[in-house]
Amino acid sequence: DTEVTQTPKHLVMGMTNKKSLKCEQHMGHRAMYWYKQKAKKPPELMFVYSYEKLSINESVPSRFSPECPNSSLLNLHLHALQPEDSALYLCASSQGRLLAGVAKNIQYFGAGTRLSVL
Amino acid sequence: SQQGEEDPQALSIQEGENATMNCSYKTSINNLQWYRQNSGRGLVHLILIRSNEREKHSGRLRVTLDTSKKSSSLLITASRAADTASYFCATDAPGANSKLTFGKGITLSVRP
Repeated sequence: DTEVTQTPKHLVMGMTNKKSLKCEQHMGHRAMYWYKQKAKKPPELMFVYSYEKLSINESVPSRFSPECPNSSLLNLHLHALQPEDSALYLCASSQGRLLAGVAKNIQYFGAGTRLSVL
Repeated sequence: SQQGEEDPQALSIQEGENATMNCSYKTSINNLQWYRQNSGRGLVHLILIRSNEREKHSGRLRVTLDTSKKSSSLLITASRAADTASYFCATDAPGANSKLTFGKGITLSVRP
């Protein structure tokens, strides 16, 4: 099973709403990622969790709050977003940097959540 | 700073033709990967080449790496309409702590 599952697929929210994006993988991967992608642009890294600990925060505004409840799940809590936060949010996972071999660096992506902030 | 820069930015070819996409990067790397993204979907890993490798094949894909020029190319042979997608190179730098740096991407259109 090489699947990363993201829910919901689409989300429309107002600027005062609180919502959460969810990501799940059952590949035993120990690194999980959140990316933001605007149309016709590459993915921009937001957060990296490594062995359930936040290892990278790319100076993301506090209205985005990541959470890693266990090694299979990754959440992104959203609060007081702005219209410019509308984008495709991608979750990915990889084996984890403590493992040997280059395969640890291959990332597996979910299909994404298309977020619209009104 | 943008690590990977692909060229061309957009490429349109006829089905059956070969497609060549190039990527340049700025810093030393552990490896370089290519990913494909169909419209509005997640990225799919295609192929990885290590910094000590010069060429690698996988099916209709051929990737080369020239570390002296800090560049890579991806060749898709005998293209199909289903190859229509965006293609990104991504570099894994020493000490980057699991972080990949993606290039701007190339949009490939394969006309039936």
